Amino acid sequence: NAGVTQTPKFQVLKTGQSMTLQCAQDMNHNSMYWYRQDPGMGLRLIYYSASEGTTDKGEVPNGYNVSRLNKREFSLRLESAAPSQTSVYFCASSERAAGYNEQFFGPGTRLTVL
Amino acid sequence: AQKITQTQPGMFVQEKEAVTLDCTYDTSDPSYGLFWYKQPSSGEMIFLIYQGSYDQQNATEGRYSLNFQKARKSANLVISASHLGDSAMYFCAMREFYGNEKLTFGTGTRLTIIP
Repeated sequence: NAGVTQTPKFQVLKTGQSMTLQCAQDMNHNSMYWYRQDPGMGLRLIYYSASEGTTDKGEVPNGYNVSRLNKREFSLRLESAAPSQTSVYFCASSERAAGYNEQFFGPGTRLTVL
Repeated sequence: AQKITQTQPGMFVQEKEAVTLDCTYDTSDPSYGLFWYKQPSSGEMIFLIYQGSYDQQNATEGRYSLNFQKARKSANLVISASHLGDSAMYFCAMREFYGNEKLTFGTGTRLTIIP
C-alpha cells in the first residue's frame, strides 16, 4: 500500500516550457488535491477534485490545469512555466469530500523554473 | 473567509520538556475541523491530530494533545516530553465542513529540540 505517490521528485524547467506532474493514490479515495508550498508560507490549494470527473479551482489556480484521469490519478499541468511557479508541489487525497476526513499527502515535487 | 494564524515562526525547547505551539483561526462557519501536520526536514506532511468544532473534549493522540478553546478561536498543539525527533515544521490547518473543500494552512512554526 504505497499511499499517495508523485512523480517526478525533482524537476528543473526553463521559462516557457511545459510539464505535467503526476499523482496517484491507492487508497480508493474520492477526493484529490494539489497544493504548492513556498518558503515561509503554508500550503496553498491550487486545484481539487471532489470526485472522479469533477475539478474545481482553489486559492491559486492561475497558470495551472488539472485532469482527474480516473479515481486513482490526478495530474497537474503547467502549460508555460514561469519563475513564480518555482515551488514544492504536494498532491493529497482524502476519503470523501465533505465533513471530517484526513488528507494524506504525497512526498512532494520540488520544481525550479529558471 | 478562513484564516489561520501561527504567531511563532520558530521555537527552541529543551529535550524532555513540554511545548505548546499556538494557532488561532477565524471562520464564520459553525462547522469546521482543525488539523495539525508535522513536516520534518525530509519534506513529507504527517498528520498528527484533529479537532472538530462540535467535539466536547480536547483531542489527544499519544504525546500530542490539542488545547481547543472555541470561544477564543484557538487550537494550540501541546507536545509532551519532547524528543529530538520532534524537530520539524508544524502547520495548523482548518477546513470548513459545508460547501468548501479548501484546507487552509497557517505559515507554520519551526520547532527545534535542544539536547
